[in-house]
Amino acid sequence: EAGVAQSPRYKIIEKRQSVAFWCNPISGHATLYWYQQILGQGPKLLIQFQNNGVVDDSQLPKDRFSAERLKGVDSTLKIQPAKLEDSAVYLCASSSLTGTAYGYTFGSGTRLTVV
Amino acid sequence: TQLLEQSPQFLSIQEGENLTVYCNSSSVFSSLQWYRQEPGEGPVLLVTVVTGGEVKKLKRLTFQFGDARKDSSLHITAAQPGDTGLYLCAGEDYGGSQGNLIFGKGTKLSVKP
Repeated sequence: EAGVAQSPRYKIIEKRQSVAFWCNPISGHATLYWYQQILGQGPKLLIQFQNNGVVDDSQLPKDRFSAERLKGVDSTLKIQPAKLEDSAVYLCASSSLTGTAYGYTFGSGTRLTVV
Repeated sequence: TQLLEQSPQFLSIQEGENLTVYCNSSSVFSSLQWYRQEPGEGPVLLVTVVTGGEVKKLKRLTFQFGDARKDSSLHITAAQPGDTGLYLCAGEDYGGSQGNLIFGKGTKLSVKP
């Protein structure tokens, strides 16, 4: 089966600019996650979707970050305006069932550099 | 706030050596997963452990979940250069949103030929 697709792979923007990332999960996977991985750290959950509904966005900085999954398939994550500390790899993951017994499948990520 | 502490943070060994990586927490987890991440790629799931005391083997890798479901270890026998990568443990938040994984900072392993 095809994996989780993310684009772009790399993005360099200036602070205060806007940026959007796209994710297409594995076909049929109901649950989609966005994680932020800062260099030298493990991934941190930003938002979890179940179909097109938000399950958990408690760690999403809502003053600048937004995410949507309108048709319960692909998703976009937006940052507006970006700050230097947003430089990180943004990982999208999906799973077929709620609960992690089956594990996540991660995409390759988008590496964002804010200068 | 649940935290997962991984140790060591960095490990550089010669091919053929054995090693153990630890993942510890003061919190109980519903399940614990181990991932391996290579540069420029997303983490890839290696194993999920669910039952306290559970031991799982994946070729030269042995994973153990602590009896109290608060800690885990990964043991690699006769390491090979292909084992090089970042090893991440991740615990499922017990009682929290199902599927919400909390990751440790990882152990960066380098196996030299």
